[in-house]
Amino acid sequence: GENVEQHPSTLSVQEGDSAVIKCTYSDSASNYFPWYKQELGKRPQLIIDIRSNVGEKKDQRIAVTLNKTAKHFSLHITETQPEDSAVYFCAASQNGYFNKFYFGSGTKLNVKP
Amino acid sequence: DAGVTQSPTHLIKTRGQQVTLRCSPKSGHDTVSWYQQALGQGPQFIFQYYEEEERQRGNFPDRFSGHQFPNYSSELNVNALLLGDSALYLCASSLGDPGADTQYFGPGTRLTVL
Repeated sequence: GENVEQHPSTLSVQEGDSAVIKCTYSDSASNYFPWYKQELGKRPQLIIDIRSNVGEKKDQRIAVTLNKTAKHFSLHITETQPEDSAVYFCAASQNGYFNKFYFGSGTKLNVKP
Repeated sequence: DAGVTQSPTHLIKTRGQQVTLRCSPKSGHDTVSWYQQALGQGPQFIFQYYEEEERQRGNFPDRFSGHQFPNYSSELNVNALLLGDSALYLCASSLGDPGADTQYFGPGTRLTVL
């Protein structure tokens, strides 16, 4: 089955700096890669996703890049703000009916004011 | 537009007991997936229901079972509870369409097994 590894497990940045979180996956058949943000005691919220036919996707301060050959994808947050502090999870799945999602172990991002 | 809802919010059980958790999908969604999230870990896929049938299953024992109703809501049942079953149980809904696989999560049910 699929195995998703996520690094780093914790990340501390100064407000205004950029943050990068990286994930690798093992199954070359995976073709859909969402990122979720989970604040303490709350549900995971989808913040951005990318499909394998796209190399990069951007939404305001958030971007995701995908390297299919190397089987890794990354989340980039620019101009970080204290409200970006949360745990971020990457996931991988195979697009299609009844797809399983495999999640990384999470990155706790702390943005210091 | 109602989002994904789950009940109860919190639950305390003792070892050996059985528990039922409930989930109502986001309006318009017909597929429900269940996940177990241990403290400090990412969600682990338990199973997925579509058209009242289990369509995919993760590496969980048969003690974990589920059901989906005609209105697309779903239940997760866990029998013979173990201490290690203590976790946040999340359900996520999506549309059973290959091009629309984005999953939206509910708030979760925090299960504590004593």
